[in-house]
Amino acid sequence: EIVLTQSPGTLSLSPGERATLSCRASQSVSSSSLAWYQQKPGQAARLLIYGASSRATGIPARFSGSGSGTDFTLTVSRLEPEDFAVYYCQQYGSSLYTFGQGTKLEIK
Amino acid sequence: QVQLQESGPGLVKPSETLSLTCNVSGYSISNGYYWGWIRQPPGKGLEWIGNMYHSGTTYYNPSLKSRVTISVDTSKNQFSLKLSSVTAADTAVYYCARRVGTTYFDYWGQGTLVTVSS
Repeated sequence: EIVLTQSPGTLSLSPGERATLSCRASQSVSSSSLAWYQQKPGQAARLLIYGASSRATGIPARFSGSGSGTDFTLTVSRLEPEDFAVYYCQQYGSSLYTFGQGTKLEIK
Repeated sequence: QVQLQESGPGLVKPSETLSLTCNVSGYSISNGYYWGWIRQPPGKGLEWIGNMYHSGTTYYNPSLKSRVTISVDTSKNQFSLKLSSVTAADTAVYYCARRVGTTYFDYWGQGTLVTVSS
């Protein structure tokens, strides 16, 4: 099973700042199988990025994904108030889907 | 706009079977995609449970496979989860989701909390 480790666990930033979230895999992951989600309390999770770097439909350009192999990054270029939430990475490999434990992005 | 909504009992007794239904609107299940379930125990991470293609092909997490059944009712445009012999470890928020190909989940429900307790 591929384990995804996200860091940091909590990130405290102010609106307007840049956020960089990390997702590290225990073994190499196909870039086509890496996705990022945003989740707010009581709401459905929202797909942000798929294929490591492709934005999902309707996702603002301030969200970008990058990386390959075992290291992947989600960047929010300039934080808006609505971006403060929990973010999860997810991969598919060896017939199993696994998720990271999440990074909570909170207002400083 | 595709929307998914989970429903089912919020409390299940140990050793019994957990049953949940996901109602889909805005898209006909019979037109394709994979439909499935993900859960999140309190304070823990997300765990994939399994998926079903509209034709009936199923894929389950090996760690849960012996207890899980996912089925689809295309006439009602909904799909269901049954998890047997539950214990307190199965207490979680259960999400239904649509899976695209073999890679990611593009639409999710809001989730429903199921507590296993006597």
